[in-house]
Amino acid sequence: NAGVMQNPRHLVRRRGQEARLRCSPMKGHSHVYWYRQLPEEGLKFMVYLQKENIIDESGMPKERFSAEFPKEGPSILRIQQVVRGDSAAYFCASSPLGPRERDYGYTFGSGTRLTVV
Amino acid sequence: QKEVEQNSGPLSVPEGAIASLNCTYSDRGSQSFFWYRQYSGKSPELIMSIYSNGDKEDGRFTAQLNKASQYVSLLIRDSQPSDSATYLCAVNINAGKSTFGDGTTLTVKP
Repeated sequence: NAGVMQNPRHLVRRRGQEARLRCSPMKGHSHVYWYRQLPEEGLKFMVYLQKENIIDESGMPKERFSAEFPKEGPSILRIQQVVRGDSAAYFCASSPLGPRERDYGYTFGSGTRLTVV
Repeated sequence: QKEVEQNSGPLSVPEGAIASLNCTYSDRGSQSFFWYRQYSGKSPELIMSIYSNGDKEDGRFTAQLNKASQYVSLLIRDSQPSDSATYLCAVNINAGKSTFGDGTTLTVKP
């Protein structure tokens, strides 16, 4: 199956630990997007990446959060020194398109549910 | 003002009725418009895209776009209990990044 693969599905971290969320885009897709969803809320944009490039990180908190999409391997969303407020569902999506091409929407992964205790 | 606004709902319709979901957006430069369906505890799934003014039909779903009014809607005909979900409106100013509304929860009662 060439869908968007996210892991882990569930992640529990104690306050102050690091969380690493991984996303492999759909086959043929070179653009990856990370979104955060709090309970009963919509999807909030975090970051848009292409291989080895961050295209738009306007939704990323300035501290503790970082993202990468290396030439080889999955995209990683890293949260350092997690706090309870980081508890949320983190969704990765991919699309095949670049900035000047028609949008066809996203294919989402199944998400990572992060719980900070 | 939120960039993308949806009726918070919840919206409840009887089985077989037409469900109407609405969305407004603030940026007149928006180019692409999408509707996603999200079942509870699951990830969003793309169900419709629309780019130009007018109606676009796909099975029981019809998306409507009015750029002058900055309004996009989704109609679901012959609603089924399996349509019960949260519907997310998404808007792109440029290709790539989508801004989502907070979603409207639809319940279709048998």
